[in-house]
Parts: sequence; structure tokens; C-alpha cells
Amino acid sequence: AQSVTQPDIHITVSEGASLELRCNYSYGATPYLFWYVQSPGQGLQLLLKYFSGDTLVQGIKGFEAEFKRSQSSFNLRKPSVYWSDAAEYFCAVGDSFGNEKLTFGTGTRLTIIP
Amino acid sequence: GAVVSQHPSRVICKSGTSVKIECRSLDFQATTMFWYRQFPKKSLMLMATSNEGSKATYEQGVEKDKFLINHASLTLSTLTVTSAHPEDSSFYICSARDRTPEGFFGQGTRLTVV
Repeated sequence: AQSVTQPDIHITVSEGASLELRCNYSYGATPYLFWYVQSPGQGLQLLLKYFSGDTLVQGIKGFEAEFKRSQSSFNLRKPSVYWSDAAEYFCAVGDSFGNEKLTFGTGTRLTIIP
Repeated sequence: GAVVSQHPSRVICKSGTSVKIECRSLDFQATTMFWYRQFPKKSLMLMATSNEGSKATYEQGVEKDKFLINHASLTLSTLTVTSAHPEDSSFYICSARDRTPEGFFGQGTRLTVV
């Protein structure tokens, strides 16, 4: 069965600093990988996704993520964060056959300090 | 981008009553809809998957008689929490997809049972 681990429950970053959120997955073949962002009391918004091809994917709001098969990782990065990036971030995995079910990580809460 | 509208955003109901939550895809036909439950500071737990015109598939441990799901059209799915109890209080989120694996999420519904 597929699984996702987000090792960091809570990260605090200064505004303007760089960000990296970790995500490790477990799946036998090449997975579909996703990063979502959730603001308090809201649904989830897709930041970016990886299906195949270039392992560095660009998303919305200046985010990018890199798929590293050897490390089973799909870390999310942003070179400079804004206060508005404070939110909960979820990594998710679906199987390579486009399984409708996504398995989510436990999320990383991002706090931005001035 | 595709829009999924979930209604209501907040609902308070008395213990023993039933409450219905609607999930609508506004600008696309959703062949599949998913219902998630999110506990405070926790990840999303998939409750069930519904395909238009067929019975929902429930995840293990989810009571199908308590959480009734109807997917009567390609743009509407409903989740009815029957005989609600305080332990059913939670944040419920729907997701709808057409042919893309990632799906699009509604804004969520905060259910409080008193």
C-alpha cells in the first residue's frame, strides 16, 4: 500500500527566507505526487503535481518540487516566503495507474515570522 | 481552474438529527467524487468514493448507514450524516474529478453536533 510521510509537523520561517518542506513516499512504481495547501477552515488548493518527465516541477505561487526516485522524496521548495504562505501543506500520492484515491501525509504547518 | 462548491461551510445541529452536505462541480462534470474527513491537526481521511449513478464505495471502518452518500448527477454529490452525535463533529471536505487524477476540492464544511 502506498504511504506518505511528512516528517516536519511544524516549521517556522522568517519572511523572505527560503523554504523546504519534506515529503517521502512509499510506492512500488512511479507514483503520481502532489502538493496541496490549506488555509485555516478552507479546502485544499493544488500547488503542483508530478506525473512523469522533468523531475523538477513548477507550481503556483512560486513553489517548486523535485522528485527524487532514489530517495523516494518529493520536497517542496520556495526561494522566498511571504506572510501569506502561512498555511498547512499536504503532500499526497496516487498510484501510477491514476488511481482515484490519494493518500495524504499528515501535513506540515508553516508559520511565517516577520 | 475548475471550481467545486461545498455547502454549507458551517453547520450546527442537535444530537440525533441528520445533516446534509452538498458538493457541486460548477464548471465541469465530475465522474468521481470523494468525501474526506479531517480531524483537528490531522490529515485527510478518505471516507468514500462515489461515481455518478452508482453506489458509493466506503473505506474500511466508515459506517455506510451513518454517512449516506448520493451522487445523483455529474455535478452533485451529497453526504448525509444521519443521527449525528458529538463525535461526528469534524471538518468534511469533498473532492471532485473529471479525467485528471488530482481532483479539485471544495471549501469544506465544519460540522458541530451539540
